[in-house]
Amino acid sequence: AQSVTQLGSHVSVSEGALVLLRCNYSSSVPPYLFWYVQYPNQGLQLLLKYTTGATLVKGINGFEAEFKKSETSFHLTKPSAHMSDAAEYFCAVRHEGGSQGNLIFGKGTKLSVKP
Amino acid sequence: GAVVSQHPSWVICKSGTSVKIECRSLDFQATTMFWYRQFPKQSLMLMATSNEGSKATYEQGVEKDKFLINHASLTLSTLTVTSAHPEDSSFYICSAAAQGRKKSSYNEQFFGPGTRLTVL
Repeated sequence: AQSVTQLGSHVSVSEGALVLLRCNYSSSVPPYLFWYVQYPNQGLQLLLKYTTGATLVKGINGFEAEFKKSETSFHLTKPSAHMSDAAEYFCAVRHEGGSQGNLIFGKGTKLSVKP
Repeated sequence: GAVVSQHPSWVICKSGTSVKIECRSLDFQATTMFWYRQFPKQSLMLMATSNEGSKATYEQGVEKDKFLINHASLTLSTLTVTSAHPEDSSFYICSAAAQGRKKSSYNEQFFGPGTRLTVL
């Protein structure tokens, strides 16, 4: 069965420091992978996605993620954290078995940014 | 990008009453809409998938008679929580996807802002 594991429910970094949010997945078919951000009491906003092609994917707000098949990972990074990056981040994989695309989400990682 | 709206953004109701939540795709036709539920500090759990003009497909453990889903048009889906109880209090999020030109193509989901339901 497919699953998504996000290591660390809470990550805290200082402003200007590197952000690294970890995501590992399991899938028996080539995965489509996503990172979403959720601000308090809001819906999800797509940060970036990997479907096919280049394994290093750049998204909005300076985030990027690299698909590593051998490690079944899709970690999210940003070179320099801003206070505005404080939010909940969800990694997701597209559910197998159809083009409808319902998603399986990880449990989320809350990012805190210290001044 | 495509915009999905939800109404209301928050609602408080008494136990035993029914609440309807609307999900609209504002600038595209959504052949498929998804309803998720999110408990505090937890991830999103898919409740059901609805295709325009057909019955919704519910995930295991979701009561179809309690969570009524209607997808009557390509831009509107509704979720009705019937006879709501305090344990139904949650954040409900919808998403919408458009049919691609190829059936095998990936159809990106666009998420609504969510509806917070509190049942007293």
